[in-house]
Amino acid sequence: LAKTTQPISMDSYEGQEVNITCSHNNIATNDYITWYQQFPSQGPRFIIQGYKTKVTNEVASLFIPADRKSSTLSLPRVSLSDTAVYYCLVGPQTGANNLFFGTGTRLTVIP
Amino acid sequence: GAVVSQHPSWVICKSGTSVKIECRSLDFQATTMFWYRQFPKQSLMLMATSNEGSKATYEQGVEKDKFLINHASLTLSTLTVTSAHPEDSSFYICSARNPAGAGKGTDTQYFGPGTRLTVL
Repeated sequence: LAKTTQPISMDSYEGQEVNITCSHNNIATNDYITWYQQFPSQGPRFIIQGYKTKVTNEVASLFIPADRKSSTLSLPRVSLSDTAVYYCLVGPQTGANNLFFGTGTRLTVIP
Repeated sequence: GAVVSQHPSWVICKSGTSVKIECRSLDFQATTMFWYRQFPKQSLMLMATSNEGSKATYEQGVEKDKFLINHASLTLSTLTVTSAHPEDSSFYICSARNPAGAGKGTDTQYFGPGTRLTVL
């Protein structure tokens, strides 16, 4: 499984766009990039998944450059309720593979 | 869609007793479920992979005789912490794999809300 590196923590003011970058230099050809959000004492919540270029859903956007060695989760106009830990994971999409959770990024949204 | 439930949400037990935690996929069938453990301020650590109808695969360092896993159906996996001790106190989280092509999004794991175990 490809290892990921993320900033340990980030602070942002309410209403701002937040970009969290994840490095995964050893990503394999069949690996997908998945981001999860976790609030205290809750299970992680799936946010977005992508393979290349850009993926957008109602919650976030995921930008993946051509070399796929990094990815950026973009949260538009964050609110206080977006304060959480965000995990970037890399692994094959199929095959029931387990997920390796790194340290994650603790995002704190400030009023 | 892709909802996973856990029961109980929290449990307090005495040292030496056994505790069973249930994980259910409510709106999809999960041939594979995973069990994680998370200590305060730390990341999730995979304990074992549970496959329906077969024995679970445990990660290195996880005692299979202490953490019994049963995946008897496509929607239910159970984790039993046997002879629990205070050091087993943790947040236990299960996840269920939702295969691609089921109309519920990409093949990924959906997590339960977690179970807080406190052993006195």
